[in-house]
Amino acid sequence: NAGVMQNPRHLVRRRGQEARLRCSPMKGHSHVYWYRQLPEEGLKFMVYLQKENIIDESGMPKERFSAEFPKEGPSILRIQQVVRGDSAAYFCASSPRGTRITDTQYFGPGTRLTVL
Amino acid sequence: AQSVTQLGSHVSVSEGALVLLRCNYSSSVPPYLFWYVQYPNQGLQLLLKYTSAATLVKGINGFEAEFKKSETSFHLTKPSAHMSDAAEYFCAVSDTGGGNKLTFGTGTQLKVEL
Repeated sequence: NAGVMQNPRHLVRRRGQEARLRCSPMKGHSHVYWYRQLPEEGLKFMVYLQKENIIDESGMPKERFSAEFPKEGPSILRIQQVVRGDSAAYFCASSPRGTRITDTQYFGPGTRLTVL
Repeated sequence: AQSVTQLGSHVSVSEGALVLLRCNYSSSVPPYLFWYVQYPNQGLQLLLKYTSAATLVKGINGFEAEFKKSETSFHLTKPSAHMSDAAEYFCAVSDTGGGNKLTFGTGTQLKVEL
């Protein structure tokens, strides 16, 4: 059973470009979470999605960031017009359901975004 | 809102020595607490979780943690450190307000020396 897949593992963008980060949850998981890890910091929650629905985006910056989890295909975290402060590791996690707070979240290896 | 504080951003122990990584939580409701480990350039792996059953929780790789309500603590321990334990460790609390987004501490880097 494959774990959570994220690609690309490393992404380099110049200021003003767009970054697209992909996350394929574990098989059978329909809940996806995105977290951002800035250098020397812990992970910060960004957004929680179910298939075709954004459940909680309280951690997402109001501008330039968006996320989706379509019926088919991976979840996408999109950052438009990237700035140097967006440089971070972005982690995706999945769980079989989100209704029970004890459900374990399984993390992917992360995408390390560098903005030049 | 829930939060966790990890005391000591860097901890160094000798191989074979006790590992103690500290985590204190703040929560107005009974918390659900987790410890994750992150190896360099990898994602997070769950070590153990507390979900209000037993207060002493055993996890993988010989780690365990004890939930102490009176001290609002959830410290991670391992009796004997191994070189392979060198990694970053994160304590996290689950949001009880709906969904289960995690709030992480700032992490503790564990170094194991010969």
